[in-house]
Amino acid sequence: KAGVTQTPRYLIKTRGQQVTLSCSPISGHRSVSWYQQTPGQGLQFLFEYFSETQRNKGNFPGRFSGRQFSNSRSEMNVSTLELGDSALYLCASSLAFTGSYEQYFGPGTRLTVT
Amino acid sequence: AQKVTQAQTEISVVEKEDVTLDCVYETRDTTYYLFWYKQPPSGELVFLIRRNSFDEQNEISGRYSWNFQKSTSSFNFTITASQVVDSAVYFCALIRGGAGSYQLTFGKGTKLSVIP
Repeated sequence: KAGVTQTPRYLIKTRGQQVTLSCSPISGHRSVSWYQQTPGQGLQFLFEYFSETQRNKGNFPGRFSGRQFSNSRSEMNVSTLELGDSALYLCASSLAFTGSYEQYFGPGTRLTVT
Repeated sequence: AQKVTQAQTEISVVEKEDVTLDCVYETRDTTYYLFWYKQPPSGELVFLIRRNSFDEQNEISGRYSWNFQKSTSSFNFTITASQVVDSAVYFCALIRGGAGSYQLTFGKGTKLSVIP
């Protein structure tokens, strides 16, 4: 079974630009979560989507947004990029059935903002 | 609010030594789930184990073992006979049960270096 895939793997953007990252969950998984990882703040939860609905959101500004499609694939968008947005963005998928809380992560997208 | 503390920032051991990674958590929920993840240099978080709050049975998987103690709010991870391939950053994490969300709260991680 294929794992979680994320594209692109690496990205370099300039301050003020916007970026869209993509995540394809494991087949059959209905929940997709996004996390930001930085050396200073560690792993922080961005948001979670289930059946195309945002179910939970972390403490990030409105410049960070996401969506989920009917096939469970998800995208996250960051508008008006700032230097501090440079990070590894990780996507995780889960079956989302009661008792199955395991989340499986993709390889991440390394975003560098210059 | 939930909190996960991994007091050990970095640990170095010589190959074949045993090593224990500590994890202490805080939550007011009676139902919760604890996890350990491994992050090798490639960056991908690899799921290692999940433990439910109502199941304090310890678990062993090969060279890995986990000790869950609700009385001390700890979920420690031991690697026996460490190998160079165990070098990675290890994260302990928690999910609130019954919250209708799968938000993981992570600790800051422990970087393990196994020296040959």
